[in-house]
Amino acid sequence: KAGVTQTPRYLIKTRGQQVTLSCSPISGHRSVSWYQQTPGQGLQFLFEYFSETQRNKGNFPGRFSGRQFSNSRSEMNVSTLELGDSALYLCASSPTSANTQYFGPGTRLTVL
Amino acid sequence: DQQVKQNSPSLSVQEGRISILNCDYTNSMFDYFLWYKKYPAEGPTFLISISSIKDKNEDGRFTVFLNKSAKHLSLHIVPSQPGDSAVYFCAARGWTSGTYKYIFGTGTRLKVLA
Repeated sequence: KAGVTQTPRYLIKTRGQQVTLSCSPISGHRSVSWYQQTPGQGLQFLFEYFSETQRNKGNFPGRFSGRQFSNSRSEMNVSTLELGDSALYLCASSPTSANTQYFGPGTRLTVL
Repeated sequence: DQQVKQNSPSLSVQEGRISILNCDYTNSMFDYFLWYKKYPAEGPTFLISISSIKDKNEDGRFTVFLNKSAKHLSLHIVPSQPGDSAVYFCAARGWTSGTYKYIFGTGTRLKVLA
């Protein structure tokens, strides 16, 4: 089975712009979670989607949003980018939220 | 409020010796714990897990120990190899808002010296 894929792998944006990141889960996995990784902060949970519904949300501002499509692919959007949004954004998939999560390679976002 | 803590940001071990990575948690309702390994420019890779009803799980060179009374988790790597050099994250699963959620520690960077 193919693993979790994320596109793009690298992205450079400027403050105030918006960005959309994409994640394709492992085939058959319906739960997709997003995390932000910054140095010293570990993986901070953003949100989880299951069957096109957001099931859980972390403590991030409303500028961070997401959605999931009927084929379980998910997108994450960040509007009005700030310098502090520079991070590695990781997507993880699992059959359901109860199962072990498997991560994609991440999207490295740099905000200038 | 950091519910899962890895208090050692880094650890250096000689090749062939034992590496012990530690993790503490505060929520007694966590029911499943995992360790992930992460190399630079890659996503975390699942390593090993343990249910809260067990106190030990072993997989080859990797063993995870769980001490529920102390709310403490540890990962032992024996023997350590240079390829084990990576950042290790522990994670705990909890039930919240009608779904499971995983809380991650901040990671420990392991360096295995040849």
